[in-house]
Amino acid sequence: EAQVTQNPRYLITVTGKKLTVTCSQNMNHEYMSWYRQDPGLGLRQIYYSMNVEVTDKGDVPEGYKVSRKEKRNFPLILESPSPNQTSLYFCASSRQGQGIPYEQYFGPGTRLTVT
Amino acid sequence: AQKVTQAQTEISVVEKEDVTLDCVYETRDTTYYLFWYKQPPSGELVFLIRRNSFDEQNEISGRYSWNFQKSTSSFNFTITASQVVDSAVYFCALSESYGSGGYQKVTFGIGTKLQVIP
Repeated sequence: EAQVTQNPRYLITVTGKKLTVTCSQNMNHEYMSWYRQDPGLGLRQIYYSMNVEVTDKGDVPEGYKVSRKEKRNFPLILESPSPNQTSLYFCASSRQGQGIPYEQYFGPGTRLTVT
Repeated sequence: AQKVTQAQTEISVVEKEDVTLDCVYETRDTTYYLFWYKQPPSGELVFLIRRNSFDEQNEISGRYSWNFQKSTSSFNFTITASQVVDSAVYFCALSESYGSGGYQKVTFGIGTKLQVIP
């Protein structure tokens, strides 16, 4: 089954404790992206990756890091989480053809609470 | 910078009514792509449609239809004869290419929450 998986699904942590949210897709997609969803703000792009070792900032990259060492994985790293990073996070992937974006497939979401 | 505006934050309709969700976008590019996604109460995000900037034909898929007008920078979504299962948050999104690598940044609107009352 084609899917995007995220782990963990729910996480409660404390300020300053480094954490990683994993994202994996099994569709051989080139493009992967992280979003956060907050009430009244919709979905905002954090980082995206066009392919292995190619990443770029979205609209809200501060406080986050990413890496793309393998095509299927795109982990989101919070080096020193703060309460304003409490949010619902979605990972997504899509195929990519010569600069043409295709529909994104989203993971189930990770609910993160930073106290 | 690209921008997507969904001015209707919440809409309530009675079942079987038609409803139109508005989406207005801003971009400096001549080549761009527009999308609609649905997020039902269960929380997953589901793709509905993709449209490129060169294709202004309206599209119909069952009870769903989309009206793309470049002159007004709008990409509106109409549900005909709404049903309770249409209750969800609907997001409009814009994707532009830039740079030699065709980088694709995506901007979503804040979403429109549709409630269909039985």
